[in-house]
Amino acid sequence: ILNVEQSPQSLHVQEGDSTNFTCSFPSSNFYALHWYRWETAKSPEALFVMTLNGDEKKKGRISATLNTKEGYSYLYIKGSQPEDSATYLCARGGVYNQGGKLIFGQGTELSVKP
Amino acid sequence: DVKVTQSSRYLVKRTGEKVFLECVQDMDHENMFWYRQDPGLGLRLIYFSYDVKMKEKGDIPEGYSVSREKKERFSLILESASTNQTSMYLCASSLFRGNSPLHFGNGTRLTVT
Repeated sequence: ILNVEQSPQSLHVQEGDSTNFTCSFPSSNFYALHWYRWETAKSPEALFVMTLNGDEKKKGRISATLNTKEGYSYLYIKGSQPEDSATYLCARGGVYNQGGKLIFGQGTELSVKP
Repeated sequence: DVKVTQSSRYLVKRTGEKVFLECVQDMDHENMFWYRQDPGLGLRLIYFSYDVKMKEKGDIPEGYSVSREKKERFSLILESASTNQTSMYLCASSLFRGNSPLHFGNGTRLTVT
């Protein structure tokens, strides 16, 4: 099993704060890096899928970067809102012929206080 | 929008029972997956399937089997439920390509007593 590590495990911020978390993964045989948001009582929802070194993706106040050579990705949230409270999961995809099999990190639990 | 539907939201079973968890997706996705989520351990892959009647073991297949007789349906079977299989089970589907996002169901929280 290839380990995917996320840090921190949990984060408590005030509304309006900007925050970021890290996903570290083995860089060998890399194919794709996924980010998901998992709100309580809902299903995980895909935020980004990135494949290229140096990739940057943005969705509203959330953005992500990817460094495949050193094996890490950052997720940034600008001006956190209470509705951003969720667990953020990253997952690494291996070589293409594994048909989309992903290895997930443990997640970062974000709590945004009004 | 892709819809992935899991048959039960909550399930309570007794030790030794045979348990079926059903998952149906409506977007003609090739890949389907079963994960379990336990506190502090992240999502762990139990089994996946990339085509009808095809299945591959994930990282923790022991005590489980799967069935994929039709493209849209992927069933997880606990042959003889045990208390250490108490967990949240998530089904997901995706297109075959490794850079396609997963679409998840709402999960089934299984308690084995």
